[in-house]
Amino acid sequence: QVQLVQSGAEVKKPGASVKVSCKASGYTFTGYYMHWVRQAPGQGLEWMGWINPNSGGTNYAQKFQGRVTMTRDTSISTVYMELSRLRSDDTAVYHCARGSDYGGNGDWYFDLWGRGTLVTVSS
Amino acid sequence: DIQVTQSPSSLSASVGDRVTITCRASQSISSYLNWYQQKPGKAPNLLIYAASSLQSGVPSRFSGSGSGTDFTLTISSLQPEDFATYFCQQSYSTLITFGQGTRLEIK
Repeated sequence: QVQLVQSGAEVKKPGASVKVSCKASGYTFTGYYMHWVRQAPGQGLEWMGWINPNSGGTNYAQKFQGRVTMTRDTSISTVYMELSRLRSDDTAVYHCARGSDYGGNGDWYFDLWGRGTLVTVSS
Repeated sequence: DIQVTQSPSSLSASVGDRVTITCRASQSISSYLNWYQQKPGKAPNLLIYAASSLQSGVPSRFSGSGSGTDFTLTISSLQPEDFATYFCQQSYSTLITFGQGTRLEIK
């Protein structure tokens, strides 16, 4: 079954870090980039960046540069997103999403999503 | 950054209605525009990519059109399962951005 299974909800204090995992199954893990998209409560969607599971290369949205790290473990088809120096406005559901590009130039669309991991930042 | 603005932000309609949602980009994005449906507590689901290509498995009542700065998502005959929130997303720039969403409610 083609799916992305994410780790469970987290509660963190301001200033801490969180690491969310996303395990892929049912397709060639190294064949698709993986993106992370977050959604604050009642808000829209915000793209955070991508990782190339084949090379480990990454591209982060400037907003998150210096605070986010995306990594992968090809032996278990899993990608990770770590966000540091958490603030209350980082409270959100974090989704991994498989990226496909129709032009071969990073023209990304997201055809498979994880169900999301709720990260709550509260003192 | 390329901004994408959806309209309306909310919409009430009845089963069987034809509905159109609009997305406008702050600059030309060619056809690099995708549409998603999201139901409460669920992940988004891809409906349309490259402005007008129907994703596999998506009912044919969904269609997309447009290029440049103006795009539309049309649902030809609303079904009960279509009441949800819809987002557009541009991938023309390296910073991917989403519209703020259109909530489609039952009249």
